[in-house]
Amino acid sequence: RKEVEQDPGPFNVPEGATVAFNCTYSNSASQSFFWYRQDCRKEPKLLMSVYSSGNEDGRFTAQLNRASQYISLLIRDSKLSDSATYLCVVSPNTGFQKLVFGTGTRLLVSP
Amino acid sequence: DTAVSQTPKYLVTQMGNDKSIKCEQNLGHDTMYWYKQDSKKFLKIMFSYNNKELIINETVPNRFSPKSPDKAHLNLHINSLELGDSAVYFCASSQVASGLAYEQYFGPGTRLTVT
Repeated sequence: RKEVEQDPGPFNVPEGATVAFNCTYSNSASQSFFWYRQDCRKEPKLLMSVYSSGNEDGRFTAQLNRASQYISLLIRDSKLSDSATYLCVVSPNTGFQKLVFGTGTRLLVSP
Repeated sequence: DTAVSQTPKYLVTQMGNDKSIKCEQNLGHDTMYWYKQDSKKFLKIMFSYNNKELIINETVPNRFSPKSPDKAHLNLHINSLELGDSAVYFCASSQVASGLAYEQYFGPGTRLTVT
């Protein structure tokens, strides 16, 4: 079983749609959680950290369920510029920030 | 002002050759990383250095040897290149505080093709 699992997609949605991505992780001792975004042939960039209480940043909402070892990302009012691969990322310890990446979910937003 | 830079951006070489990739960060971070992203886009950590000390080594073949001359630089030398080494190699950096995981900043990547 992979440490971090995501549906690879692609998710094809029209502009303005709401789309949700899910991710599960296997290590119950994981301490930190993130969503990164990677555009085609570019480097990954942090989209947002994920906290137990849930957090929102503009059109993006992230949720963490430690009991189910499940992380979600909700994107509202999708824009063309949201087209990218979204990487679920987990840090399994409180040591030196070893990040474990999921394989990513590809989002395509069309006009 | 590039935060994390890598050279070269593209590297095409033949099997059996030895090559190096250089990474520099100007963010003042104390921890640097090498990641490999394979053809299936899976991104996996290879090495991490904190204050020039190796702290993560993820069962990478010993043909790969990282070197950190100072906190701002982390280079990757690869001996006897194999076809399976073809991938995009990303350098990243972050500041570690109290053992918490903070944002890692990635370089633009080096696309290595072994023929």
